[in-house]
Amino acid sequence: EVQLLESGGGLVQPGGSLRLSCAASGFSFSSYGMSWVRQAPGKGLEWVSSISGGGSSTYYADSVKGRFTISRDNSKNTLYLQMSRLRAEDTAVYYCATRISGSFDYWGQGTLVTVSS
Amino acid sequence: EIVLTQSPATLSLSPGERATLSCRASQSVSSYLAWYQQKPGQAPRLLISDASNRATGIPARFSGSGSGTDFTLTISSLEPEDFAVYYCQQRSNWPLTFGGGTKVDIK
Repeated sequence: EVQLLESGGGLVQPGGSLRLSCAASGFSFSSYGMSWVRQAPGKGLEWVSSISGGGSSTYYADSVKGRFTISRDNSKNTLYLQMSRLRAEDTAVYYCATRISGSFDYWGQGTLVTVSS
Repeated sequence: EIVLTQSPATLSLSPGERATLSCRASQSVSSYLAWYQQKPGQAPRLLISDASNRATGIPARFSGSGSGTDFTLTISSLEPEDFAVYYCQQRSNWPLTFGGGTKVDIK
């Protein structure tokens, strides 16, 4: 059974930093791309970033480019999102998701990031 | 960036009725379109990948069709657990994009 467990969310001041983690199990983690998708309170879904299985290719939404960094540790079956220079508009639930079929096949339960002073 | 426009924004139907949801892309995405269901307080769930392929464990009452710029998600007969928000998403081009969602609520 595929399981994804996000952690690392919380309250952070504008301009601050936070690192999210996503622990994966139940599939061959290093073989597949992974992604982060976020959802602001009461809003729709927004793709944030993706990374290839080996970690050599990364992609970012324009809204986070230059501020967020996606990475993975295949020895630990863990995906990361390093977020810096956070803004109020980054407040959202952040989901990690697999891309086994190319679509977002499996999702974690999400971790809430609140950017506020 | 490919913009996905979903219609209608809200669909009010009764259990047992047929639901037809539309997703239109601003340019061709071939068949690289997926549909997701999201219930309040839950993560989204993949229903359909590549326009018409039902994901593992998804009931046969859910079907997807279309290619190019026009896509449809059909729920043949609504069950009580199907009342939720539905999103389409394209993976043809970076950045990956989602539609704004269609809420299916109980009439």
